[in-house]
Amino acid sequence: QQQVKQSPQSLIVQKGGISIINCAYENTAFDYFPWYQQFPGKGPALLIAIRPDVSEKKEGRFTISFNKSAKQFSLHIMDSQPGDSATYFCAASMEYGNKLVFGAGTILRVKS
Amino acid sequence: GAVVSQHPSRVICKSGTSVKIECRSLDFQATTMFWYRQFPKQSLMLMATSNEGSKATYEQGVEKDKFLINHASLTLSTLTVTSAHPEDSSFYICSAGYNGLAVEDTQYFGPGTRLTVL
Repeated sequence: QQQVKQSPQSLIVQKGGISIINCAYENTAFDYFPWYQQFPGKGPALLIAIRPDVSEKKEGRFTISFNKSAKQFSLHIMDSQPGDSATYFCAASMEYGNKLVFGAGTILRVKS
Repeated sequence: GAVVSQHPSRVICKSGTSVKIECRSLDFQATTMFWYRQFPKQSLMLMATSNEGSKATYEQGVEKDKFLINHASLTLSTLTVTSAHPEDSSFYICSAGYNGLAVEDTQYFGPGTRLTVL
């Protein structure tokens, strides 16, 4: 019940295209859903995060869509660029303790 | 945003030796620090959670006598890998958080430490 399932494992998108990564969770006590971007040899960096009281959040080219009833959330990267090529992790936590449960990660490659 | 540093960034050691990794919050006081381990092409696995001045809480399956965590101050936590063996070779990442962080940013991650045990 603590798992966060992420798909796909890898994704290749043409420059300018839309990258979509999906995550699903079981634990309804989760109330914070961040997405992290990680480049090789670096620590993860927060991209965007959402709470369950909203269904969508947009920051620049990045959008989170959240479906509370389906217990799913997704990351959309609009106008994908080669510099977006990285590994993306979804995560979830309960507010108390802020312990994050990470998805397995998606390796994104944007072809120029 | 808040900055978390780790030292060293890379360490190579011989089997049987102990290695200490430092995690510092540079511009905020971290009430909680987390230690993760990441194998190549895999996700982050939480090893332990530490609160300043108290014993760390280890995740199931993590040997507390092998991975010693000390959170002596609000800006510093250390992870010591004792009697390291080649299977301990991994990327170790810390994160820091505190009550009062913005809603969208509950943890700040360090840049990671690459440990190689020969």
